[in-house]
Amino acid sequence: GAVVSQHPSRVICKSGTSVKIECRSLDFQATTMFWYRQFPKQSLMLMATSNEGSKATYEQGVEKDKFLINHASLTLSTLTVTSAHPEDSSFYICSAGTGDVTEAFFGQGTRLTVV
Amino acid sequence: GQNIDQPTEMTATEGAIVQINCTYQTSGFNGLFWYQQHAGEAPTFLSYNVLDGLEEKGRFSSFLSRSKGYSYLLLKELQMKDSASYLCAVFDSNYQLIWGAGTKLIIKP
Repeated sequence: GAVVSQHPSRVICKSGTSVKIECRSLDFQATTMFWYRQFPKQSLMLMATSNEGSKATYEQGVEKDKFLINHASLTLSTLTVTSAHPEDSSFYICSAGTGDVTEAFFGQGTRLTVV
Repeated sequence: GQNIDQPTEMTATEGAIVQINCTYQTSGFNGLFWYQQHAGEAPTFLSYNVLDGLEEKGRFSSFLSRSKGYSYLLLKELQMKDSASYLCAVFDSNYQLIWGAGTKLIIKP
């Protein structure tokens, strides 16, 4: 199956700093990438949808100035958590779509801890 | 509102069979997914149902009844490695994925 690589898998940062998470589709072109966050024992929550070359569409309640998403190419999307605070600590997961809505391939996820 | 219900936790014995149910109320329906998620890892795709009936794939089968807003995931010949959370997710009319909270499956020897 298609491979999506997400990096880093774990990151610890100080409160107030910014963290960038990368999501790459290794063997296919991802026309759409999705970013999710997941709190312990809760379902995945969609944060935003990004299409290559255009601005991301954010879900209600997600601060676009805090969670910056860039989808500069068909194989790379980045999520930057700006001015991170402890409440931003979570598991962030990306998934990449090929254009077939039934296909979505997940990255490995990033465990962010803000101290 | 949109809602997906599945049990929070289930326990089963190695070698046995377990059925994880999922009921949904969504604005439209364009398919239902089951994903497996091990602790600390991203979900992995198990199945996709868009028509009524049973889809079998090795030890795992998934069933869908659109009229009842109901699906189940059936796991046979359980192995210890099947201990994980199982997530049910539905595509609504806009192809937005609505996620259930997941069912934590505990396998005992």
